[in-house]
Amino acid sequence: GQQVMQIPQYQHVQEGEDFTTYCNSSTTLSNIQWYKQRPGGHPVFLIQLVKSGEVKKQKRLTFQFGEAKKNSSLHITATQTTDVGTYFCAGAAGNNRKLIWGLGTSLGVNP
Amino acid sequence: DVKVTQSSRYLVKRTGEKVFLECVQDMDHENMFWYRQDPGLGLRLIYFSYDVKMKEKGDIPEGYSVSREKKERFSLILESASTNQTSMYLCASTRSGGTDTQYFGPGTRLTVL
Repeated sequence: GQQVMQIPQYQHVQEGEDFTTYCNSSTTLSNIQWYKQRPGGHPVFLIQLVKSGEVKKQKRLTFQFGEAKKNSSLHITATQTTDVGTYFCAGAAGNNRKLIWGLGTSLGVNP
Repeated sequence: DVKVTQSSRYLVKRTGEKVFLECVQDMDHENMFWYRQDPGLGLRLIYFSYDVKMKEKGDIPEGYSVSREKKERFSLILESASTNQTSMYLCASTRSGGTDTQYFGPGTRLTVL
């Protein structure tokens, strides 16, 4: 079946270091979404990418959608303790009426 | 602002009990979803509904049923709770398509003893 692989599963960084999580789909996606879940919280929508090669920025967060629309990345510049949480990607593919979720990347930030 | 609420934040039930988890959204969204979240397994879709009285199985529907009698309310039912259904249950809704932006409720942490 259709899958979205997300790596790494966990990462711990020192505050101020950069962080990147990657998503790779087994199929071409019509869009990809990114969500953040703080510890003890629920997933919250961050952004949606639709176009091939699209790059979007939200302050220190940079989101990319690959040219083939099969992969995506989230890069955080100069992490802060407020970035702690699990980041999920979720893709929409073909006529599928539901999102295909990655397993998430859990980010820890040491102050 | 979209608000999705869930009936309980924490719930403890005994094996064999019938369990109802309720979810309400206040933004007239068409689609509603039930997920369970377990460590290392991400979000797994149990059921979703794209209209009142309509439902569709997700990836792990076994042991669960759902009900959507009103547009704003989507209930998840565990007919006979088992210990392997101990989990965090998250409800979500989307405005139109099933692949639209998902708005999640705060979650219900269910423990089955």
